[in-house]
Amino acid sequence: DIQMTQSPSSLSASVGDRVTITCRASQDISNSLAWFQQKPGKAPKPLIYAASSLHRGAQPQFSGSGSGTDFTLTISSLQPEDFATYYCQQYKNYPLTFGGGTKVEIK
Amino acid sequence: EVQLVESGGGLVQPGGSLRLSCAASGFTLSDHYMDWVRQAPGKGLEWVGRVRNKANSYTTKYAASVKGRFTISSDHSENFLFLQMSSLRIEDTAVYYCTRVPTTLWYFDLWGRGTLVTVSS
Repeated sequence: DIQMTQSPSSLSASVGDRVTITCRASQDISNSLAWFQQKPGKAPKPLIYAASSLHRGAQPQFSGSGSGTDFTLTISSLQPEDFATYYCQQYKNYPLTFGGGTKVEIK
Repeated sequence: EVQLVESGGGLVQPGGSLRLSCAASGFTLSDHYMDWVRQAPGKGLEWVGRVRNKANSYTTKYAASVKGRFTISSDHSENFLFLQMSSLRIEDTAVYYCTRVPTTLWYFDLWGRGTLVTVSS
């Protein structure tokens, strides 16, 4: 199975900050990576697919980069509604696997 | 409106069975791969399984943790997806989400709100 490792597991930031979350795959997954945002009690929402493509309807402050084993989700300017938990997920191989999540909290 | 709505969750005893349903609207179920993803209370996301589209003969794939106990099927006349769960264990307690996977893009582009399954005696 492909292991997805996210870091950090949590972070504190202020509105307007630039935030970067990293995700590392245990083997090469090319660009078969998605990012999701989840708020408490809600379903995950897609943000990014194919490592760097913005999901239709996702806000433009989100961007993704990377290929192979190392990936990054960047929030260019943190908005109040962006405080949430973020997950990466690989869809290169079965079983599909998720990272452990990164909780973004208010500083 | 394009949406997925799950139902059928509830409390079940260990060893019991339960069938979850997912009503799809605004798109044709048979055109897409459809997956189930679950989330145990306070934990991360776990892929459960997939049913492929009509072009791929509705074949299925499962996570090792549920293989042989869970079965994914679909009713394309009514646009419903199902998850039949048997031999349930306490560790199957989770919110179960129905998701859509477009075959051109391959990621979970649409999620339902989820239904909670609690396995407890």
